Amino acid sequence: AQSVTQLDSQVPVFEEAPVELRCNYSSSVSVYLFWYVQYPNQGLQLLLKYLSGSTLVKGINGFEAEFNKSQTSFHLRKPSVHISDTAEYFCAVSDGGDYKLSFGAGTTVTVRA
Amino acid sequence: SAVISQKPSRDICQRGTSLTIQCQVDSQVTMMFWYRQQPGQSLTLIATANQGSEATYESGFVIDKFPISRPNLTFSTLTVSNMSPEDSSIYLCSVEEGQSYGYTFGSGTRLTVV
Repeated sequence: AQSVTQLDSQVPVFEEAPVELRCNYSSSVSVYLFWYVQYPNQGLQLLLKYLSGSTLVKGINGFEAEFNKSQTSFHLRKPSVHISDTAEYFCAVSDGGDYKLSFGAGTTVTVRA
Repeated sequence: SAVISQKPSRDICQRGTSLTIQCQVDSQVTMMFWYRQQPGQSLTLIATANQGSEATYESGFVIDKFPISRPNLTFSTLTVSNMSPEDSSIYLCSVEEGQSYGYTFGSGTRLTVV
């Protein structure tokens, strides 16, 4: 099973500033990579996913992530955050064909005015 | 994407009792998953439930404690048996849609055991 490390447990950021959330995973021949967001008292919503192809993946709400195979990383970025981006963000990984998701510990993003 | 209705959304239960959580999907899906999210923690996979076969449990989870039913392609239940305060968590169901690796999650059941 994959091991997923989210390097930052909490990220405070001011509104309209950029944000980057870091995610590293244990190496494998092929992996599928995901970022999910969890707003307070809600389930998980998919932000974006990487299955194959271009290493730069664009998702919903202005988020994007870059797959770096040599560094086994899948960092999430947003150039300008809003108050509404305050949430918990989870990186998840699946070995190709396994269908099981392994989640990182999560990063709490708090956006302040 | 699939829409999942998960019930109950929250419950407070006495220790020693059992709670059954329901997950209803608006389309037929082959693979359903049950996760646990302990307070302040990430998600941990409990089991994979495929229709017509026994659920497959992850290490640390057993059928006697977390029996799962999957009677058809749109419905599954997870029972948390003989509960203790350590079972207080959010339980989420998830489905994988059509081998596109589009995992959709229910809104979760927030369980408190007192």
